[in-house]
Amino acid sequence: EPEVTQTPSHQVTQMGQEVILRCVPISNHLYFYWYRQILGQKVEFLVSFYNNEISEKSEIFDDQFSVERPDGSNFTLKIRSTKLEDSAMYFCASSGSGNTIYFGEGSWLTVV
Amino acid sequence: QQQVKQSPQSLIVQKGGISIINCAYENTAFDYFPWYQQFPGKGPALLIAIRPDVSEKKEGRFTISFNKSAKQFSLHIMDSQPGDSATYFCAASVNYKLTFGKGTLLTVNP
Repeated sequence: EPEVTQTPSHQVTQMGQEVILRCVPISNHLYFYWYRQILGQKVEFLVSFYNNEISEKSEIFDDQFSVERPDGSNFTLKIRSTKLEDSAMYFCASSGSGNTIYFGEGSWLTVV
Repeated sequence: QQQVKQSPQSLIVQKGGISIINCAYENTAFDYFPWYQQFPGKGPALLIAIRPDVSEKKEGRFTISFNKSAKQFSLHIMDSQPGDSATYFCAASVNYKLTFGKGTLLTVNP
């Protein structure tokens, strides 16, 4: 069964450092997303991406965040200058023409 | 108005029992209502989903009941098994954007 794959599974970074989280969405999907989940809390929407541009973003997705689809398969989330409160599990997701959104296993980011 | 309220926060059920989790929403623009199952350290996995033009959907032991007028929907897990022990999230979607409930930690005792 096709799946969304994410790397790294866990990253520890110093506060103020840049982080790039990588994702390979399901191959024929058109819509790509990043969500995050702070430990013990609900999953929160960050950004959606379609046709090589951001289609919607949440209040969390400020100027420190950016997304990119550098080639035909990867989808990345960059956090420019990490803060302690950025520590969370970041999920990449993708969907095709229907509403079903499939999530990856997540990248656990710890900012110290 | 974008919130999805989920209850209970945690639920303990005996093996073979019925697990029921409830969600309510305000935004009538939501047009797709999925339930996700999440095991510790894993991503949310789609369990079952429903659209507002249908009042009930059943897939195996899992059933969604949907009440459009009350703006409520629920997940029923029949014959609950210890392997069902996980966190369950309801969600609601509009324009491909999911809004999640806070989750229900389900424990099924053997």
